[in-house]
Amino acid sequence: DVKVTQSSRYLVKRTGEKVFLECVQDMDHENMFWYRQDPGLGLRLIYFSYDVKMKEKGDIPEGYSVSREKKERFSLILESASTNQTSMYLCASSRINTVEKLFFGSGTQLSVL
Amino acid sequence: DAKTTQPPSMDCAEGRAANLPCNHSTISGNEYVYWYRQIHSQGPQYIIHGLKNNETNEMASLIITEDRKSSTLILPHATLRDTAVYYCIVMNTGGFKTIFGAGTRLFVKA
Repeated sequence: DVKVTQSSRYLVKRTGEKVFLECVQDMDHENMFWYRQDPGLGLRLIYFSYDVKMKEKGDIPEGYSVSREKKERFSLILESASTNQTSMYLCASSRINTVEKLFFGSGTQLSVL
Repeated sequence: DAKTTQPPSMDCAEGRAANLPCNHSTISGNEYVYWYRQIHSQGPQYIIHGLKNNETNEMASLIITEDRKSSTLILPHATLRDTAVYYCIVMNTGGFKTIFGAGTRLFVKA
C-alpha cells in the first residue's frame, strides 16, 4: 500500500518552542503539502512543494516554514510555537501535472500550552 | 480555484443510498470535481473524481450536471462505516491551492 507517514500522532509543546513536524512519502511523488485542520474551518493550506528545495506559500503561511531536502520528506517548522497553532496538521502528496489524487497522512494533533 | 458549497450535515438510513450534493458554480473549464472523505482521527481519503461525465467506481458514483455547476456523490448502499465528513473540492492539474471547505458530516443510522 502507498503511504504518507507523519512522524507523530500526538505532540505537546510549550509556547516559544521550535517544533518540527515530519512527513515521509514512499510513492516518489513530486508534490507535497502541509494543511492544518480546525473545527468548522475545513483544511487550510499552509505550504506546498513541487520539487526538492522548492516551496510555495499557501493560504496561511505566517508563523510556519518548511524544508524539502529530499524528494520523499517534507518538514513543517514552527519557529516559535504559539497557542493559536494548536491544531491538527495533515501532510499530503501527489504527482505533478496530472489530475492525480492527493494521498494524506493520518495527521499530527499538536497542542501548544 | 473555485469554491464549493455543501450542506453541513445529512442523515441516511443504513442500506439506503446516500446522496450528497455540492455546488461549484464558479468552476472553470479545466477544473475537476473531487470527493474525499474523512473518518474520525484519520486523514482524508480519496473517493472519486470527474470532469464532466458521470463516473462510478467501487466506492461511489459521481453525477455532474451538464453545466458543471453542481454535482452529487452517491453511496449506493450506505453502511455504518460510511459515517464521515465528505469533502467536495475542485482543482486543476497539480492540485495547488486546493480549497477544502467544512464538508458534509454524514450520519448513517441503523
